[in-house]
Amino acid sequence: SQTIHQWPATLVQPVGSPLSLECTVEGTSNPNLYWYRQAAGRGLQLLFYSVGIGQISSEVPQNLSASRPQDRQFILSSKKLLLSDSGFYLCAWSRGTASSGGYPYNEQFFGPGTRLTVL
Amino acid sequence: AQKVTQAQTEISVVEKEDVTLDCVYETRDTTYYLFWYKQPPSGELVFLIRRNSFDEQNEISGRYSWNFQKSTSSFNFTITASQVVDSAVYFCALSGYSSASKIIFGSGTRLSIRP
Repeated sequence: SQTIHQWPATLVQPVGSPLSLECTVEGTSNPNLYWYRQAAGRGLQLLFYSVGIGQISSEVPQNLSASRPQDRQFILSSKKLLLSDSGFYLCAWSRGTASSGGYPYNEQFFGPGTRLTVL
Repeated sequence: AQKVTQAQTEISVVEKEDVTLDCVYETRDTTYYLFWYKQPPSGELVFLIRRNSFDEQNEISGRYSWNFQKSTSSFNFTITASQVVDSAVYFCALSGYSSASKIIFGSGTRLSIRP
């Protein structure tokens, strides 16, 4: 079975500090990977998605970046955090076409999330 | 453009009541997927159901049932005999058919079940 891990679970960082959140998926290969942010009491905002190693698409211009150094690893980074970066960060995966036998289905499976507070 | 509307921001019912969460979607695609997710207080989104656009059969899973009506572009979710553990934020979502399609989420409905 497939599992998705995220760490850390919670993080408190000062404004201007760097950020690195990590997400890994087990039990599948060639997944599509996603980073979302959810502000308190709000909906989901797609930040980045990736269909393969080194392939990153950005949805919202901001001071965040993402990287996919390995097939099942997705990293969210920032060089200097802003107060507005506070929120709940969720990583998700879905089956890419290559791993689904041509039937993508498209449902995304989410990790436990990271609660980031920037002070 | 694709859009998902969940007009009910918050719903509060007493335990054992039935409750229906509404979802209306917009898409120009002829084939697409619809989803429901549950986000309990712990925060993790839990996948509940996927529905293909060409399959309009309603689905029942225990106390949960889903009514998909293509004619009205709706995909409503009913919980029968609600329980306190059903308290969560529920998201309806839509995606295209290809594996590269992104999921468009609605804004969510916060459901509170009072004992």
